[in-house]
This record gives sequence, structure tokens and C-alpha cells, in this order.
Amino acid sequence: GENVEQHPSTLSVQEGDSAVIKCTYSDSASNYFPWYKQELGKRPQLIIDIRSNVGEKKDQRIAVTLNKTAKHFSLHITETQPEDSAVYFCAASSATDSWGKFQFGAGTQVVVTP
Amino acid sequence: EAGVVQSPRYKIIEKKQPVAFWCNPISGHNTLYWYRQNLGQGPELLIRYENEEAVDDSQLPKDRFSAERLKGVDSTLKIQPAELGDSAVYLCASSARQGLYGYTFGSGTRLTVV
Repeated sequence: GENVEQHPSTLSVQEGDSAVIKCTYSDSASNYFPWYKQELGKRPQLIIDIRSNVGEKKDQRIAVTLNKTAKHFSLHITETQPEDSAVYFCAASSATDSWGKFQFGAGTQVVVTP
Repeated sequence: EAGVVQSPRYKIIEKKQPVAFWCNPISGHNTLYWYRQNLGQGPELLIRYENEEAVDDSQLPKDRFSAERLKGVDSTLKIQPAELGDSAVYLCASSARQGLYGYTFGSGTRLTVV
């Protein structure tokens, strides 16, 4: 089955700086990679996703890049703001391992200090 | 749209007692998932339904956990008897088209077994 590793586990950044979270996956058949943001005590919410047929996707201050050859994908947050503070989870979905079953990373606690 | 609705939000029970969680998915979402999220970790899939059929329950501890999705809409997840290690947040999610466009999570039920 799929295995997803996420780094770092915690990330502290100054407001206005950029934050980068990296994930690696093991199953080369994985073809869908969503990112979720979870604020304390709240539900995980999808913030951006990418499919294996594209290398990069942007949505305002967030972007995701995918390197299929190296089997890793990253979340980039630019011009960070205090409201970006949350736990971020990456996930991978493998079509060969029960379509729609996401394997989540362990999460990255992002703290943005003013 | 109400989103994925879960109840109760919190539950505290003594070990060996039974407990049940309820989930109402987004209208029209045929796929329903139950995930368990331990503190500081990413969600882990327990069971996935396509309509009323459980299509992936390989990670459900069947000796004490059971689930049902009668009529392919609402779902319940039950634990009997509960153990201390079952303390976690139980998340329900639903999706259209087998997770092709990501999930929508409910707010979860935080279970504490004492």
C-alpha cells in the first residue's frame, strides 16, 4: 500500500515569510495529491490539490508542486499571515489501492509569528 | 449546503462501554468514509462505503468496531466494548465520484475513554 512521509513536523515562520512543507510517497501509481489545513479543534479542510498530469498548481498565496520521478510533492505558502497557523496534512491517493482511499502524512504544525 | 454533519461532537465513556457515532454526508455524495485521527497524527481510514456497500474495511478492527450505512445515506460507527486506546477523533467524510475531487470532512467526534 501507499506510504506518505511529511516533513517537517513543526515549522515556525515570521509573518510575511514563506513556508514550505514536503511530502514523499511510495506508490508510483498514486495520481491525486490533496492538501488539507486543520485548525485546532476543527475539521480538515481541502486547500489545494494536484493531479499527476500537472507539475504545479497555484491558488493565490498557496502553490503545490509535484515531482513524479522523485515521488515527492510540496506545499508552498507565500507572504504568510497569522491565520495560516494550523496543521497541514498532505495525502496521496493510489488508483491501484482502492480508489478514493487517501493515505495521509503525519502533519506539519505551522506557526506564524507576527 | 449543510456539509457533512456528525454527532455527537464530544463523548466521554468508561472503558468497556459501547459508543456510537453518527454521520450524515453531503446530499448526493455516494462515497462515505470513516477515519480515526489520533492526537498529533494524520487521519487513518477505518472503512469506506460506496452507497450502502462497505468496499474497504480492511483497517476496521472488526472484533470491536462495526459500521453500517443503511439506504446508502446516513452512517453509524459503533465500538463495543471501548478500550482506552480508542480515544481519538472520529472523522466522517464524503465525496462525489469516489474521491476524485477530494473529500469534505465533518467536524468529527472526539471520543475520550476513561
